[in-house]
Amino acid sequence: EAGVAQSPRYKIIEKRQSVAFWCNPISGHATLYWYQQILGQGPKLLIQFQNNGVVDDSQLPKDRFSAERLKGVDSTLKIQPAKLEDSAVYLCASSFTGGEGYTFGSGTRLTVV
Amino acid sequence: GENVEQHPSTLSVQEGDSAVIKCTYSDSASNYFPWYKQELGKRPQLIIDIRSNVGEKKDQRIAVTLNKTAKHFSLHITETQPEDSAVYFCAASRTGTTSGTYKYIFGTGTRLKVLA
Repeated sequence: EAGVAQSPRYKIIEKRQSVAFWCNPISGHATLYWYQQILGQGPKLLIQFQNNGVVDDSQLPKDRFSAERLKGVDSTLKIQPAKLEDSAVYLCASSFTGGEGYTFGSGTRLTVV
Repeated sequence: GENVEQHPSTLSVQEGDSAVIKCTYSDSASNYFPWYKQELGKRPQLIIDIRSNVGEKKDQRIAVTLNKTAKHFSLHITETQPEDSAVYFCAASRTGTTSGTYKYIFGTGTRLKVLA
């Protein structure tokens, strides 16, 4: 089966600029997650979708981060405006039922300068 | 809130020795505990998982043990090899009929170095 696709793989932007990341989950996976992984730390959940509805966005900095999952398939995560502390790898994961069986994408490494 | 603590943060072992990584979770309703291996610049890969209805699970050189009473679970790697060098993450989660709302809570990671 095809894996979780993410793009771009790398992105370098200046602070205060905007950036968007894209994720295509495994076909049939209803649950989609965006995690932020800062260097040397474990992944931190930003937002969780079940189909096209938001289940948990309690740790999403909503003043600058937004995410959507139109039609319950692909998802985009946007940062506007970016800060230096947003430098991290942004991982997308999907699962069939939620709570187990995550498959991760390769991630997008964001550097904010 | 829900929390998973992981120790140690770094671990160096000689090739052929064993390595043990320990995690403690706070949510007593957690019933699913996966372990991920992440090599530099790559995605996390599931290496083993355990459910709360068993105390131990083995897969070749890797084993995981679970103590529900103490809310501890551990990863054991025997006969370590240089290719085992990576960052290992534990996680805790719930599964069930409404599990669409559940998510992994990750530990902070352990950097394992296997010295040849």
